[in-house]
Parts: sequence; C-alpha cells; structure tokens
Amino acid sequence: SYELTQPPSVSVSPGQTASINCSGDGLGDKYTSWFQQTPGQSPVLIIYRTIRRPSGIPERFSGSSSGNTATLTISGTQAMDEADYYCQAWDSVTVVFGGGTKLTVL
Amino acid sequence: QVQLQESGPGLVKPSETLSLTCTVSGGSISDYYWSWIRQPPGKGLEWIGYISYSGSTYYNPSLKSRVTLSEDTSKSQFSLKLSSVTAADTAVYYCTRGSCSGGGCYSGPSKWYFALWGRGTLVTVSS
Repeated sequence: SYELTQPPSVSVSPGQTASINCSGDGLGDKYTSWFQQTPGQSPVLIIYRTIRRPSGIPERFSGSSSGNTATLTISGTQAMDEADYYCQAWDSVTVVFGGGTKLTVL
Repeated sequence: QVQLQESGPGLVKPSETLSLTCTVSGGSISDYYWSWIRQPPGKGLEWIGYISYSGSTYYNPSLKSRVTLSEDTSKSQFSLKLSSVTAADTAVYYCTRGSCSGGGCYSGPSKWYFALWGRGTLVTVSS
C-alpha cells in the first residue's frame, strides 16, 4: 500500500522559516494537501493541489514538490503556527495521510 | 455557510457496530465527495472511506470488510457503519466534504481536496 512519510517533529525559532517534508513514491506527480491541527480542533486545510492556498490562509504558508517529496514551508513562523501538520495524497482512488509532524516554535 | 455535524453514540461495546451520521446544513449534498476520517487519541489521521458525487463508495483496504457508507440526500445526511469494533476503533471520527476546483475534477479523484470538516465526535469502544 502507498505510504507517506513525515518527520515526527520539527522545531523552528519565531520569525524563521520552517520546512516540513512529506515523502512517497512519485509524490511529485501527485497533488498533495496539507492540514494544520491544533489541540482539540479539527484539521484545517492550508494547502491543496500541492501549491494552492485556500482563502483565509496566510501567505506565509506555501507548498511545493519535487521528485518523491512534497514540502510545506512556513515563512516568518509565528507562535500561533505551533501545531500538528499532516500531508495527504491520493493513491488512485484511495486517500493516504502522512503520520503527521509536530511543529514546535521555540 | 455549510456546516457538518457528526452524531451518534459516544460509547459502543466490543463486537458491536458503530453507527454515525453526518448532517450537512447550509448546502447541497450533491456534487461533492463525502468522507469519514478518524483519529485515535494521540495519533494521526486515518481515512476510512468516501462516497463520491456519483454515489460510488471507496474504503480503506484495512477497514473494507467492516465498513459501510451510505447517504440520504433527502435528509442531507451521510452515514458510517463499522462492524465488529474493538478498542482499536476508539477514536475521534470526522466527517469531511471533498471539493474540487480548477478543472479536471471529473476525470478522477486526484484533484479533490478535503476543505470542510466537522467538529468530530469521540467514540469509545468499551464494555
């Protein structure tokens, strides 16, 4: 079965750039979504179709992909960005999530 | 504004069937993907299955033998049944709506994304 791999944790200082990778076979040829989840809340879509940002999502969130890796980049990270982040892609007709990455803003 | 609300028992006994309903308010149930996703306490997201805009159903292979999804368009609801539950099925269950924009939406699901989520409902499996 198709798998997406994320680092369990990433740390970043306030104001710096955070990058969260998601790897999977041929992921660069698929569309990737990214979700942000804070404690006790439902996930929120922050990136879809790899690079697109839903309305209302700050411009500091961006997505990219190449080869087998999709990347979520947060520029000028703020304390409020501390959360769990999940990547998601389609494997034919099935939905696959990465294991999630806990972003800590130190 | 479209909202999703999960409902159903918060406690289910082992070996019984978990049944949840998602009610869609403020919008049509047509022309979208409707999916269930769950999250065990302290763990990541797991896709359960979805009903497509054409009424086709697709399930996570690891749960396929125990899952049934259905929809009732007259009530703007879609439902999940998960049979023979164990403690491992204890989780927050979310209903979500899949959307698509930008073209190529009806050539396959790959361009669809889950932009709208319910608040989730915790289901505990315990005797």
